[in-house]
Amino acid sequence: ETGVTQSPTHLIKTRGQQVTLRCSSQSGHNTVSWYQQALGQGPQFIFQYYREEENGRGNFPPRFSGLQFPNYSSELNVNALELDDSALYLCASSSGLVGETQYFGPGTRLLVL
Amino acid sequence: GEDVEQSLFLSVREGDSSVINCTYTDSSSTYLYWYKQEPGAGLQLLTYIFSNMDMKQDQRLTVLLNKKDKHLSLRIADTQTGDSAIYFCAENQNFGNEKLTFGTGTRLTIIP
Repeated sequence: ETGVTQSPTHLIKTRGQQVTLRCSSQSGHNTVSWYQQALGQGPQFIFQYYREEENGRGNFPPRFSGLQFPNYSSELNVNALELDDSALYLCASSSGLVGETQYFGPGTRLLVL
Repeated sequence: GEDVEQSLFLSVREGDSSVINCTYTDSSSTYLYWYKQEPGAGLQLLTYIFSNMDMKQDQRLTVLLNKKDKHLSLRIADTQTGDSAIYFCAENQNFGNEKLTFGTGTRLTIIP
């Protein structure tokens, strides 16, 4: 039990739609990262937020965007969904201290038809 | 660029030791991690090692780091059926930046 929760657990969308995924971090964790894990692959870094500002981004297009809120919750938004966006989306929170580990949520499985 | 590689599959008899290997390319990696993912679940941090260490032991888990060869291994002693999962190694790219680069994962299967 990491104290990090995500909702929903599963989601089905169609191409072109928009989706919002949610994450609730551990209390006191002001850094949240989002990862995309395609089937049979390792997680790929999407972006990180620190104190409500984007703090690093992986190789993902601008239609992937995020928000972080003062209450330790955050969102991942994906516009204009494509079939290849089907994946498990993981959020991870940490205290932001140097060398501090990240704690992952259980993920949201998104299927795009 | 950053790259982390693992073999895809490993089968081990129950009670034997499992050794999962990982190689990485970025010599500036600060921390190296092992995560476990069970079917339908997120990632569970098993252990991590700081790059100036050669070995770390935690109960049934032993991590060995060969920094010269950029090789990391995870040994699980007395492997049990509950150890069946996918194991990912990961590294931090930049000091203070917690972005993780993961390998593709090794699926560990336990043979009764």
